[in-house]
Amino acid sequence: DSGVTQTPKHLITATGQRVTLRCSPRSGDLSVYWYQQSLDQGLQFLIQYYNGEERAKGNILERFSAQQFPDLHSELNLSSLELGDSALYFCASSVDLGGYGGYTFGSGTRLTVV
Amino acid sequence: EDKVVQSPLSLVVHEGDTVTLNCSYEVTNFRSLLWYKQEKKAPTFLFMLTSSGIEKKSGRLSSILDKKELSSILNITATQTGDSAIYLCAVGTNYGGSQGNLIFGKGTKLSVKP
Repeated sequence: DSGVTQTPKHLITATGQRVTLRCSPRSGDLSVYWYQQSLDQGLQFLIQYYNGEERAKGNILERFSAQQFPDLHSELNLSSLELGDSALYFCASSVDLGGYGGYTFGSGTRLTVV
Repeated sequence: EDKVVQSPLSLVVHEGDTVTLNCSYEVTNFRSLLWYKQEKKAPTFLFMLTSSGIEKKSGRLSSILDKKELSSILNITATQTGDSAIYLCAVGTNYGGSQGNLIFGKGTKLSVKP
């Protein structure tokens, strides 16, 4: 157990639907990062929050949004889902803003859009 | 755009073989280079390198950074089937932005046959 908790582990949903992925960072970590991993693309950075504020944004689609709450857990909302959104979504956390010492990853949410 | 390139993309070896995985990078502000191992789900941390020429070692795994050549290698000696995984290289930068603070390569998929 890495200390980063992601729920749910698996999600199957239909095109056009909306889902919410949840992440609780490791205790003491203030930064939360969201990544999308598909077979051909590797780990694609979506967004980073630090202590409740958005700090960096990747090539995140407008249909996707995220937030970090006062208790530091984070949610990634994916709407108007398309088949191409099927992927493994990882949350990671680090104690600092930069994360240069590395991130701790959660076990991921596998999203399948049918 | 900053980039991290890993080679080979995939590798099949037999138990007992020694393998060398490569990672090269072009980034604006280098802070650190990290190696992760990804088996079924979450990437797990292996090494962080910041100084050139200093080998980090953990059991049969070792890694070294060459800042002059902008590259790093990960060596695995006496491979075992349990070493089968995707090995990810990531470079930490000050830039952040659309690629985040840790830029990941696409990984090397290592398969170790009995």
